Amino acid sequence: AQSVTQPDARVTVSEGASLQLRCKYSYSGTPYLFWYVQYPRQGLQLLLKYYSGDPVVQGVNGFEAEFIKSNSSFHLRKASVHWSDSAVYFCAVGMDSNYQLIWGSGTKLIIKP
Amino acid sequence: GGIITQTPKFLIGQEGQKLTLKCQQNFNHDTMYWYRQDSGKGLRLIYYSITENDLQKGDLSEGYDASREKKSSFSLTVTSAQKNEMAVFLCASSKTGYEQYFGPGTRLTVL
Repeated sequence: AQSVTQPDARVTVSEGASLQLRCKYSYSGTPYLFWYVQYPRQGLQLLLKYYSGDPVVQGVNGFEAEFIKSNSSFHLRKASVHWSDSAVYFCAVGMDSNYQLIWGSGTKLIIKP
Repeated sequence: GGIITQTPKFLIGQEGQKLTLKCQQNFNHDTMYWYRQDSGKGLRLIYYSITENDLQKGDLSEGYDASREKKSSFSLTVTSAQKNEMAVFLCASSKTGYEQYFGPGTRLTVL
């Protein structure tokens, strides 16, 4: 069955340190890939997306993600986190042209001062 | 750019009550979605609509009805609210069917 896995429910990182949030999906075709961020008591905002081409995509606020087809992964990275990056991050994957996204369960990012 | 507006922001109802949530978008997107997000959890799809007057059930449609009478609006009805039901309902819209833009949510509490 098609699925999206974010294996880390919570990640704690010191301010200024680098970050990687993991996302793996199960799908045999070519997916459309997204990362969204949700700040407290707000809706979701699109961080970045991958449809085709260069497997490393840049997003807002210094975030980037790399599509590794052989690993079915789309991990999110940031070189140096800021306290304002504290939020929940969701990975989502579009498959099969059915107008739906399959959502990961989210990773809560906690920034230590 | 555009915006998605959800009303009301907070909704408090009684057990068994029928409650309606509204969503408006000015992106001119064809596809709209309703999701439920329980506290600390991910998103579950309730209904979506590919175009005006179209309705498609998601995995969580039982206990809900939806209505898409105009391209710009999408309503969700909780047919009989359950006690202790607390969740945030998120509306989204999309041009492509994948890249989705979200509203701020409606927080539901049932007493």
